[in-house]
Amino acid sequence: QTVVTQEPSLSVSPGGTVTLTCGLSSGSVSTNYHPTWCQQTPGQTPHTLIYNTNTRSSGVPDRFSGSIVGNRAALTITGAQAEDESDYYCVLYMRPGIWVFGGGTRLTVL
Amino acid sequence: EEQLVESGGGLVQPGGSLRLSCAGSGFAFSNFNMRWVRQAPGGGLDYVANISPDGRDKHYVDSLKGRFTISRDNAKNSLYLQMNNLRVEDTAVYYCVRASSDWNPLHSWGQGAQVTVSS
Repeated sequence: QTVVTQEPSLSVSPGGTVTLTCGLSSGSVSTNYHPTWCQQTPGQTPHTLIYNTNTRSSGVPDRFSGSIVGNRAALTITGAQAEDESDYYCVLYMRPGIWVFGGGTRLTVL
Repeated sequence: EEQLVESGGGLVQPGGSLRLSCAGSGFAFSNFNMRWVRQAPGGGLDYVANISPDGRDKHYVDSLKGRFTISRDNAKNSLYLQMNNLRVEDTAVYYCVRASSDWNPLHSWGQGAQVTVSS
């Protein structure tokens, strides 16, 4: 069974840049997996930041960007702000109707 | 304004059944794939099931096949999840989610319904 892997935790200084990544237990992530990134602040409903590798959802600040870096999908936050402290989930397309979430990355801004 | 509102959650004993509903409004419900995503206490997000716009195609994560059934009634703008033979590990918040037509699998989310399986 394919496992989607993410860093369990990362930290960034206010105003700094951080890159979260999303990989596969076997193989490389490409645009064919249509990587999607969701943000969830503790106690809140998740919402989608980036979909189809690099498309920002409506209203998402442009400090969030998506890409493929090497064999992994990446979410980069440039100029991190305190309100970016959240859990971030990657989700990948596997086959028609089936997507798989990664375990999530807890981002601390300090 | 687009809205997804789940209902039907609650406390059920192991082996019991529960049916979640999700009412959609503010968008053309019958045009989109709909999904259920769940989150166990203190855990991450898990994809549960998907249904095509016309309801003909249904997909489930392998671990839930046979126990959960996704369905929809486009005339009522409603999505459902029938959960049978529930286990303690099915305890989670269940989110109703709309996909979009441009490869956004999780375009909009409901507020979630709490399902607790406990004796």
